[in-house]
Amino acid sequence: SYVLTQPPSVSVAPGKTARITCGGNNIGSKSVHWYQQKPGQAPVLVIYYDSDRPSGIPERFSGSNSVNTATLTISRVEAGDEADYYCQVWDSSSDHPVFGGGTKLTVL
Amino acid sequence: QVQLQESGPGLVKPSQTLSLTCTVSGGSISSGGYYWSWIRQHPGKGLEWIGYIDYSGSTYYNPSLKSRVTISVDTSKNQFSLKLSSVTAADTAVYYCARVPYGSGWFDPWGQGTLVTVSS
Repeated sequence: SYVLTQPPSVSVAPGKTARITCGGNNIGSKSVHWYQQKPGQAPVLVIYYDSDRPSGIPERFSGSNSVNTATLTISRVEAGDEADYYCQVWDSSSDHPVFGGGTKLTVL
Repeated sequence: QVQLQESGPGLVKPSQTLSLTCTVSGGSISSGGYYWSWIRQHPGKGLEWIGYIDYSGSTYYNPSLKSRVTISVDTSKNQFSLKLSSVTAADTAVYYCARVPYGSGWFDPWGQGTLVTVSS
C-alpha cells in the first residue's frame, strides 16, 4: 500500500518559517491534505488539495506539492502553532485514504 | 455548521464487540454528497482510517480491519455507527468520526473523539 513519510519532529523559533515535508512515491500526482492536531484535541483540516485553505485557517499556512514531496509551510510561526501535523492522500490503487506518521512541531 | 459527536462505552472487555455512534448535527446525512467515516488513533500514535459509509448504506473498509468492522447508518436519527468485533488490547484507541465530501478525499469536520479502552 501507499506510504507517506514525515519527519518525526521539526523545531522552529517564533516568527520564523516552519516547513514540514511529506514524502511519497510520485506524490505530486496526488492531492495532499494536511491536518493540525493539538494535544487532547481532534485533528483540524488546515490545507486541502495541496494548497487550499479552509475558511478560518490563517494565511500563514500554505502548501505545495511536487514530484515526490509535499510541503506544509507555516510562516511567522506562533506558540499556538505547536501541534502534531499529518499529511493525507487518497490512494487510488487501494481506494482508501492514507495518513502520514505525523510531525511534531515544536516552537522554541 | 455541521458538527459530529461520538458516543459509546469507554471500556470494552477483550473478545467483545466495540460499538460507537456518531451523531451529526447542523446537516442531514440523507441529503447526500458525503461519506461518513471512522478513524482511530492509538495512544501516542498516528491516525488509522477504519472505514466509511454513505447515505445509501454503501460501505468501504480498511482491508486490515475489514473482517471485524461493520459501519451502518440510521438516517432517521441522523447517526452512523461503528461495530468492531473480537476486540483486543490493540484496539484501545481514541475513535473519531468525520465527514468526507464526495470526490474530495479530505476529512472535515471531525468529532471530538472518544477513548475506548479494551481491558478485562
